[in-house]
Amino acid sequence: DIQMTQSPSSMSVSLGDTVTITCRASQDVGIYVNWFQQKPGKSPRRMIYRATNLADGVPSRFSGSRSGSDYSLTISSLESEDVADYHCLQYDEYPYTFGAGTKLELK
Amino acid sequence: QVKLLQSGAALVKPGASVKMSCKASGYTFTDYWVSWVKQSHGKSLEWIGEIYPNSGATNFNEKFKGKATLTVDKSTSTAYMELSRLTSEDSAIYYCTRVLWPTDYFDYWGQGVMVTVSS
Repeated sequence: DIQMTQSPSSMSVSLGDTVTITCRASQDVGIYVNWFQQKPGKSPRRMIYRATNLADGVPSRFSGSRSGSDYSLTISSLESEDVADYHCLQYDEYPYTFGAGTKLELK
Repeated sequence: QVKLLQSGAALVKPGASVKMSCKASGYTFTDYWVSWVKQSHGKSLEWIGEIYPNSGATNFNEKFKGKATLTVDKSTSTAYMELSRLTSEDSAIYYCTRVLWPTDYFDYWGQGVMVTVSS
């Protein structure tokens, strides 16, 4: 199975920060990476699809990028509503696999 | 609008089975695969498998073969997942989500079903 190694597992952040979360794929997954936001007691919400595309209704402060096998989610100028868990997913190959998640917490 | 409405929470005994539902609305049910995802310990996500309502074709994570059975009822636009021989390791939240190549992967999710396995 493809491993998506996500880092960091948690992050202490301040409002207005620029935050970057990364997933490293254990083998080539091309552009087939999504990023999800999940708030407590809620379902995951797709934020980025195909590595760099902003999903409908997602604020433009969110962006996705790729460098080789590293995929990143960046939040510019963090707002309070962005404090949540974030997950990456590869869907290039079965079984689809998720990263272990990143928890953002306010300092 | 697209909605995936899942059945309610379940408390089941070890060794028993549980069947949950995911009712789709707001789109053509037979055009999209329905995937199922497990979330344990409030954080990590695992892909269980998927079913294509139009044909009943399925793909599974090897880890869940023999554990999960996926079916659909096209007449009611409802997908089902049955989990068998339940243990405490199966206590988790289970989500359904939809998939369509190439861009609509996991774009809409159900609200989740909490399954608790306890005697």
